[in-house]
Amino acid sequence: ETGVTQSPTHLIKTRGQQVTLRCSSQSGHNTVSWYQQALGQGPQFIFQYYREEENGRGNFPPRFSGLQFPNYSSELNVNALELDDSALYLCASSLSRVGAQETQYFGPGTRLLVL
Amino acid sequence: AQKITQTQPGMFVQEKEAVTLDCTYDTSDQSYGLFWYKQPSSGEMIFLIYQGSYDEQNATEGRYSLNFQKARKSANLVISASQLGDSAMYFCAMREGLTGGYNKLIFGAGTRLAVHP
Repeated sequence: ETGVTQSPTHLIKTRGQQVTLRCSSQSGHNTVSWYQQALGQGPQFIFQYYREEENGRGNFPPRFSGLQFPNYSSELNVNALELDDSALYLCASSLSRVGAQETQYFGPGTRLLVL
Repeated sequence: AQKITQTQPGMFVQEKEAVTLDCTYDTSDQSYGLFWYKQPSSGEMIFLIYQGSYDEQNATEGRYSLNFQKARKSANLVISASQLGDSAMYFCAMREGLTGGYNKLIFGAGTRLAVHP
């Protein structure tokens, strides 16, 4: 059983650029959630995708967008990068099913630095 | 609004001793789940233990146990027989609702645990 993988591991961008982060969910999982973790803080929920549709969104502007593909992998896109977007971006996958408790399993994260 | 509070920014423990990491939560929901994750310096969040709001028994997973006191809204993590590899950040998180549907985790600020030989 393969775990959650993310790419790239590290990324450096300049202000105003666009970035795409990728996530492959754990085998058998159908839901992907993205979190932003600024230095010294706990992760903050960005959004969640279930069966290729956005299933909930946190307090992030529209320049944060995403996709989920039929194989349940996912992308996080951030347009018009700002310095405050520098953070660790974590992807988590889970299996959503009726009557069952869900646990989110996280990938290793992508460290984004915006200069 | 739902909230998780971890009041210990840092904790020290001697190897082989037990340590308790505190977590209090605030929610108006009757159904919720509580999680603990470990984050080593590499960055990956590692799932440790889960407690559902209707679970009558405290959850245990190997050396990890969750001291769940519902009336006090606390969900403290107890690590027994600490090991050097336990040195990491520990996050308490809460999920609204128990099963299915929208699955957002709310995290606390974390506690950094250092295990000394």
